[in-house]
Amino acid sequence: QVQLQESGPGLVKPSQTLSLTCNVSGDSFNSGTYFWSWIRQHPGKGLEWIGYIFYSGSAHYSPSLKSRLAISVDTSKNHFSLKMSSVTAADTAVYYCARVTVRQGAFDIWGQGTMVTVSS
Amino acid sequence: QSALTQPASVSGSPGQSITISCTGTNSDVGGYNLVSWYQQHPGKAPKLMIYEGTKRPSGVSNRFSGSKSGNTASLTISGLQAEDEADYYCCSYAGIVVFGGGTKLAVL
Repeated sequence: QVQLQESGPGLVKPSQTLSLTCNVSGDSFNSGTYFWSWIRQHPGKGLEWIGYIFYSGSAHYSPSLKSRLAISVDTSKNHFSLKMSSVTAADTAVYYCARVTVRQGAFDIWGQGTMVTVSS
Repeated sequence: QSALTQPASVSGSPGQSITISCTGTNSDVGGYNLVSWYQQHPGKAPKLMIYEGTKRPSGVSNRFSGSKSGNTASLTISGLQAEDEADYYCCSYAGIVVFGGGTKLAVL
């Protein structure tokens, strides 16, 4: 049973860098069948795609967030990470990691989500 | 990339059928068959309900079906049940990913 679990600080100060990690268990992280993605959801709002990464390290980002993002992958630890720089209160959201099937472009497995608040 | 357009809310009575639309452009919904739909209950992570526009993952009820015409994809739920009350999101994958704004389904 494949499971994804987000981890990281729940509180980040404005202008600092938000860092989250998604641990993947029960699956071959090196499979070329999947992308590994980050999505966020502002309180009471809809889903917003942040970006995804292939096991090789090739990443694609949301155009609106690209300048502040870095997604990386560590296949030896079966996890991938998100770094978002220069955060503001507008980055307060629940952050999800998810597995994406390459051929279908479908987010088939999601983590439970982690709430990140940006506040001083 | 603009969000895909969904109605903010729809409602139906138990046993009825409802359809949620998702309108995009030739660059996303209209240009590719990689449209997926997600169900999200309050406080929970989204769940994949439909992929490639019309296909259901294993374990998803056949009461859920998807279709597409031009730049608009649709999700139909037949035989509405109380547990179907949730938020529903469409998604288009075309290199980059775009989600719809979400539709709140009320089962009255």
